[in-house]
Amino acid sequence: GAVVSQHPSWVICKSGTSVKIECRSLDFQATTMFWYRQFPKQSLMLMATSNEGSKATYEQGVEKDKFLINHASLTLSTLTVTSAHPEDSSFYICSARPGHRSGNTIYFGEGSWLTVV
Amino acid sequence: GENVEQHPSTLSVQEGDSAVIKCTYSDSASNYFPWYKQELGKRPQLIIDIRSNVGEKKDQRIAVTLNKTAKHFSLHITETQPEDSAVYFCAVDTGGFKTIFGAGTRLFVKA
Repeated sequence: GAVVSQHPSWVICKSGTSVKIECRSLDFQATTMFWYRQFPKQSLMLMATSNEGSKATYEQGVEKDKFLINHASLTLSTLTVTSAHPEDSSFYICSARPGHRSGNTIYFGEGSWLTVV
Repeated sequence: GENVEQHPSTLSVQEGDSAVIKCTYSDSASNYFPWYKQELGKRPQLIIDIRSNVGEKKDQRIAVTLNKTAKHFSLHITETQPEDSAVYFCAVDTGGFKTIFGAGTRLFVKA
């Protein structure tokens, strides 16, 4: 199956700093990638849809200035958490869909644990 | 937008018994329904999926049924084993390229 790699797996940052998480599709081109946030024992909450070469589409309630998404190539999307606060601590996970058709399987990255201290 | 409800939130079964998890959705235009298994701290893994033109699909001990009229679909795991213990998420593809997840079901299989 398709492979999606996410980096870093773990990151600890100080409150007020920014942290960048990368999501790469290793063996396919992904015009669309998705970013999710998952709190302990909760579901995957879609934060935004990342579109190659254009602005990301954010879900309602997600601050676009706080969670900057850049999809600069067909294999890389980045999520930057700006001015991080302890409440931003969470598990962030990306996914990518090969092709354009709705209904194609999405593949997940390994996820990134963010701890803001 | 699409709303996905999943039940139960927790399910405990004895090894060898069957487990059933149910999901309902709201958007009749949704046409793809995958199920994911997630172990603690790991990425969700696709275990089975079904498309709107099919009513049932089976893969060894796992099966999924879909009732488009009633807008619900279910995951069935037979002959459960301890390694089936995990969190299971249903999901719905809205046709707008977004996948919306249910709240998850924590399955415990007791040996």
